[in-house]
Amino acid sequence: QSVLTQPPSVSGAPGQRVTISCTGSSSNIGAGYDVHWYKQLPGTVPKLLIYGNSNRPSGVPDRFSGSKSGTSASLAITGLQAEDEADYYCQSYDSSLSGSGVFGGGTKLTVL
Amino acid sequence: QVQLQESGPGLVKPSETLSLTCTVSGGSISSYYWSWIRQPPGKGLEWIGNIYYSGSTNYNPSLKSRVTISVDTSKNQFSLKLSSVTAADTAVYYCARGGAPNVWLDPWGQGTLVTVSS
Repeated sequence: QSVLTQPPSVSGAPGQRVTISCTGSSSNIGAGYDVHWYKQLPGTVPKLLIYGNSNRPSGVPDRFSGSKSGTSASLAITGLQAEDEADYYCQSYDSSLSGSGVFGGGTKLTVL
Repeated sequence: QVQLQESGPGLVKPSETLSLTCTVSGGSISSYYWSWIRQPPGKGLEWIGNIYYSGSTNYNPSLKSRVTISVDTSKNQFSLKLSSVTAADTAVYYCARGGAPNVWLDPWGQGTLVTVSS
């Protein structure tokens, strides 16, 4: 059971827009901690996709955007492409029990 | 650019201690937080803990009783020890820079598979 809750799977057709939610609580996202997003292709290392809730590292297309509100955050992907098919993870920090990093359970994005 | 590389045994016996080292190249280990993350086969990411270059640590509460993370600034390395391992500790173990509050994880090492089996 992950501290941050993500849908196990989402899907969309090429060109469409999809969103992936990340729901936390008052001890993590709701406490003001930033949310970061990672993309993981099968058999590869997770790659930073969004940092600080809504910032894109150099090289990440502007089709990817992040937002945060209250105890939740979202990742939006527009103009869906085949290479977007991957697992996506949200990550934040939790202040309970002396503090620790926390991940969402991951969301498998399927491009139809 | 900073690169990280995990090293250590790929096979550990049940009840023994898993030991891994992460070597940082292309930059100094100083002034940053460094983390360990693991991913069991076919499952999601789990944060194990982090260490500041000064030596202060934070651990996942569910692993805290078995985990020790240390740093050797002279070697630009940080290490993970996980005691009393079971098959449930079989995973790809990653090291990464960051992991403090509001600090993202980037870059990551390539990861190393550790199997717990007799």
